[in-house]
Amino acid sequence: DGGITQSPKYLFRKEGQNVTLSCEQNLNHDAMYWYRQDPGQGLRLIYYSQIVNDFQKGDIAEGYSVSREKKESFPLTVTSAQKNPTAFYLCASSIGTPVNEQFFGPGTRLTVL
Amino acid sequence: AQKVTQAQTEISVVEKEDVTLDCVYETRDTTYYLFWYKQPPSGELVFLIRRNSFDEQNEISGRYSWNFQKSTSSFNFTITASQVVDSAVYFCALKSSNTGKLIFGQGTTLQVKP
Repeated sequence: DGGITQSPKYLFRKEGQNVTLSCEQNLNHDAMYWYRQDPGQGLRLIYYSQIVNDFQKGDIAEGYSVSREKKESFPLTVTSAQKNPTAFYLCASSIGTPVNEQFFGPGTRLTVL
Repeated sequence: AQKVTQAQTEISVVEKEDVTLDCVYETRDTTYYLFWYKQPPSGELVFLIRRNSFDEQNEISGRYSWNFQKSTSSFNFTITASQVVDSAVYFCALKSSNTGKLIFGQGTTLQVKP
């Protein structure tokens, strides 16, 4: 089955720790995205990558970092510099052109203790 | 600036009622794309529809229908004969052909009661 997987589903982190969220897709999509969703709010773009070894900052990139070494993988690291990291994180992918819809993974809920 | 407004934060209906979710957008682009996504309690966003700015034809898919009106910058979504399984958060989104970024509205939480 083609799709997007995110792991883990739930993640707990102590303050001051970095944590990496996994996102893998087997849809052969060129573009991948990371969004953050806070309660009662829409999604906000953190980072996106249109091709391997290239990525751009979204609207709220501060405190986050990404890598795109393989087409199918786009991990997101939440660093200790992110002041309010507790949120629901969604990964998405799409065929490269802007017209195409994005498909989303099941999400990771991160809680900072 | 680009913006999507979903003025209805929460809607509650009884099963079998029709319900319309409103979406108003702002953009200066001549070419853009509009989307609706459904987010059930599991959290994953499910793609429902995409509309191109140059195609104002309304669309119907089963109990779902969409009304796109450029004159009022609106892209409303109607569910006919709602069912409990329709309960979810629904997001309207706008994508510019220039930036490729997807701008989401705040979402409308729909509760369908049996």
